[in-house]
Amino acid sequence: DIQMTQSPSSLSASVGDRVTITCRASQSISSYLNWYQQKPGKAPKLLIYAASSLQSGVPSRFSGSGSGTDFTLTISSLQPEDFATYYCQQSYSTSRTFGQGTKLEIK
Amino acid sequence: EVQLVESGGGLVQPGRSLRLSCTASGFTFGDYAMSWVRQAPGKGLEWVGFIRSKAYGGTTEYAASVKGRFTISRDDSKSIAYLQMNSLKTEDTAVYYCTNIYSYGWGGAFDIWGQGTMVTVSS
Repeated sequence: DIQMTQSPSSLSASVGDRVTITCRASQSISSYLNWYQQKPGKAPKLLIYAASSLQSGVPSRFSGSGSGTDFTLTISSLQPEDFATYYCQQSYSTSRTFGQGTKLEIK
Repeated sequence: EVQLVESGGGLVQPGRSLRLSCTASGFTFGDYAMSWVRQAPGKGLEWVGFIRSKAYGGTTEYAASVKGRFTISRDDSKSIAYLQMNSLKTEDTAVYYCTNIYSYGWGGAFDIWGQGTMVTVSS
């Protein structure tokens, strides 16, 4: 299986900060990389698909980049509602895998 | 309204079986592959498996951790996906989410999610 490794595992930031989360695949996955946001007690929400395409309805402060093995999710200016856990997920292989998650907390 | 609603969760003893259902509304169910994703208490997301649409053969793929024990099926006439779970283990305890798969190229993303249903495997 393709292993997905996110860094950092947790992150403290303030409203208005620019934040970057990294996801690394154990082998090349081209651009078959998606990002999700999950708030406590809720189902995950798709933010970014195909590494850089913003899902409909997702604020433009979220952006994704990368290809091959290294990917990033950037939030340009943190809002109070952005404090959540973020997961990357690859869809290159039929055996889909998620990263372990990055918990974004308020500083 | 586009919606997925899971049902069938509960408490079950190790070694027993349980079937989860996922009822879709608000979109053309038969056009989409459907997937199950689980989350153990306090842990991250784990993909369980998916079933392709009939247009792509309706075939299935599973995570190694459930292969041979879990089976995904679909009834397009009722807009329902199922997850049949046999030989349950304590480590299968989790919230189980149903999702559809938005396809792009040969990849896809988990787009619409249900609210989840809790499965507890314990004696």
